[in-house]
Amino acid sequence: NAGVTQTPKFQVLKTGQSMTLQCAQDMNHEYMSWYRQDPGMGLRLIHYSVGAGITDQGEVPNGYNVSRSTTEDFPLRLLSAAPSQTSVYFCASSIGTDYEQYFGPGTRLTVT
Amino acid sequence: GENVEQHPSTLSVQEGDSAVIKCTYSDSASNYFPWYKQELGKGPQLIIDIRSNVGEKKDQRIAVTLNKTAKHFSLHITETQPEDSAVYFCAAGSNFGNEKLTFGTGTRLTIIP
Repeated sequence: NAGVTQTPKFQVLKTGQSMTLQCAQDMNHEYMSWYRQDPGMGLRLIHYSVGAGITDQGEVPNGYNVSRSTTEDFPLRLLSAAPSQTSVYFCASSIGTDYEQYFGPGTRLTVT
Repeated sequence: GENVEQHPSTLSVQEGDSAVIKCTYSDSASNYFPWYKQELGKGPQLIIDIRSNVGEKKDQRIAVTLNKTAKHFSLHITETQPEDSAVYFCAAGSNFGNEKLTFGTGTRLTIIP
């Protein structure tokens, strides 16, 4: 099993550009989530999904969109990048919120 | 929503000594409390978790205690080793209604050889 994979590992965007961060898992997990990690602020939930076709907002959803067309994939879209979105983004998957979350290796995004 | 506070933000201990990290949570409906370890450049990894029907859980050098009345839980690492140096996160979640896991702000643990 590859576990949770994320691409790209690094990305630099200019303000106003859009992009999609990819996340895939091969563990047949229903629950997937996106977090951003900023210094001193821990991991903050952006969006999550409890299954294909179902998504919901987390703590900091503004400026991000998600969709879940398959169990395996959960892409995160930045609509119009802003410097405040400079962060490290982690995707995670699990059986449910009260079970182990398996995290991907992260994507480091810089918006200039 | 749930709010998780974690202390201290940094902790340095001599190799072989114990380390304790504490977290408090606000939502009495939370019933699942995991601890994650994050090494440099990697994603967090679960090291131990506890559910609200248990007061303490131990796994070799790592233990977690939970006080539901006071809404706080702690991570204890004994006989610390250099490889314990990392950032540790606590979290709180529920399997009933609230489908979110809320993380603390992290503790950077440094083991001094």
